[in-house]
Formats: sequence, structure tokens, C-alpha cells
Amino acid sequence: GNSVTQMEGPVTLSEEAFLTINCTYTATGYPSLFWYVQYPGEGLQLLLKATKADDKGSNKGFEATYRKETTSFHLEKGSVQVSDSAVYFCALDRTGNQFYFGTGTSLTVIP
Amino acid sequence: EAGVTQFPSHSVIEKGQTVTLRCDPISGHDNLYWYRRVMGKEIKFLLHFVKESKQDESGMPNNRFLAERTGGTYSTLKVQPAELEDSGVYFCASSQRTGRSYNEQFFGPGTRLTVL
Repeated sequence: GNSVTQMEGPVTLSEEAFLTINCTYTATGYPSLFWYVQYPGEGLQLLLKATKADDKGSNKGFEATYRKETTSFHLEKGSVQVSDSAVYFCALDRTGNQFYFGTGTSLTVIP
Repeated sequence: EAGVTQFPSHSVIEKGQTVTLRCDPISGHDNLYWYRRVMGKEIKFLLHFVKESKQDESGMPNNRFLAERTGGTYSTLKVQPAELEDSGVYFCASSQRTGRSYNEQFFGPGTRLTVL
């Protein structure tokens, strides 16, 4: 079946620290992979995506590379800011009509 | 352009009562989805509408949940009677019908349901 496993939180970092949130997946076929972010009081927003192996998605300084050989899509950012504090969800989509999400990782960045 | 909206933002009810959640998708989006996140767990798919038709309701937990999308516009999700394990955040999402394999889903802010 299809599933996503992501790093347990919560994660607390100091401003300008390096961020990695691990995400691995299980899927039949060739899924598209996503990172969604939920800021406090808001809905889920698409942060970045990759639709095929070796693609790198990037946005707002965040990056993730679709690694088929390790079935991973780890999220990274070189220097986090306080405004990055949010919950991050890794997700996959196999059919174009149903997302499979991870459990979410809460990130708090302190000044 | 308005995004996906959901109402109410928060609902607190007692076990056995009925609650109806509403979702207004982005105008023109044929696809509408419901998801649920139970405390600390992953966000799980509930069902998918294409216009007014249920395309996939494989994620609906049981027959206490009823989703409708009359006229293919807004959707309601009714829980009757509510149980304690129904507590969580219910998300709605919508997407265009483009014929591609990937259609970006736009999510609403969610409705937090608490069943006491």
C-alpha cells in the first residue's frame, strides 16, 4: 500500500540553524511527492513538490530531492527563521486524487 | 480570488449529538476532498467528489459519516451520532479538473471538532 513516514517532532531550533526533516515513503508505481506547511491558524499550503525521481523541489529556501533508490524526500533549509515555525507534512499522491500524508513535524524556531 | 473556506472553525459537541461541517471550494474547482487529522496522527483521506458525484469514499470511517455536495458547489460533512473518536481536525481541499495525473489541491484552514 501507500504510506508516508516522517520524522517525529517537535523540533526546536535556533534562528539560522540548519533544518532537516526526514521523510520516507512506500508506494506502488511512481508517486508525486510533496511537502505541505501549516502555519498557526492557517490551512495547509503547498511548500514544494517533485513529480519524478531525481527532481528537486524548492521554495522559500526549502529544498527536497526525490530519491527513488532510498524512497525518501527529506526537507532541508540552510538557515531557518522564526517565521518558519509551523507544522510540516510530507505527502505522496499516486493517482492524482488522493494524498497520503505523514504525521506532521512541528518546528519551532527561537530567536 | 478566495481560497477554500470551512465553517465552523471550531465545534464542541457532546457524544451522541449531530454536527455538520461545511466546505466552500475555490470557484470553478470540480474536485473536492475531505480529510481528517486525529490528534497527533497523519492526515487521512475521507472522500473525493467530482462535481456532485462521489468519486471515491473509501476513507469514510463508518456510516455515521455522510457527505454531500448538492449542485456541485459547496459540500457538507455530517457526523451523526458523534463519538469521542471523531474528534480531530477536518480539512477540505479542492482542485481543478485538468485531465493531468497531478492536480494541485488547495486546502482550507480546517474545522476542529471536539466531542466530549
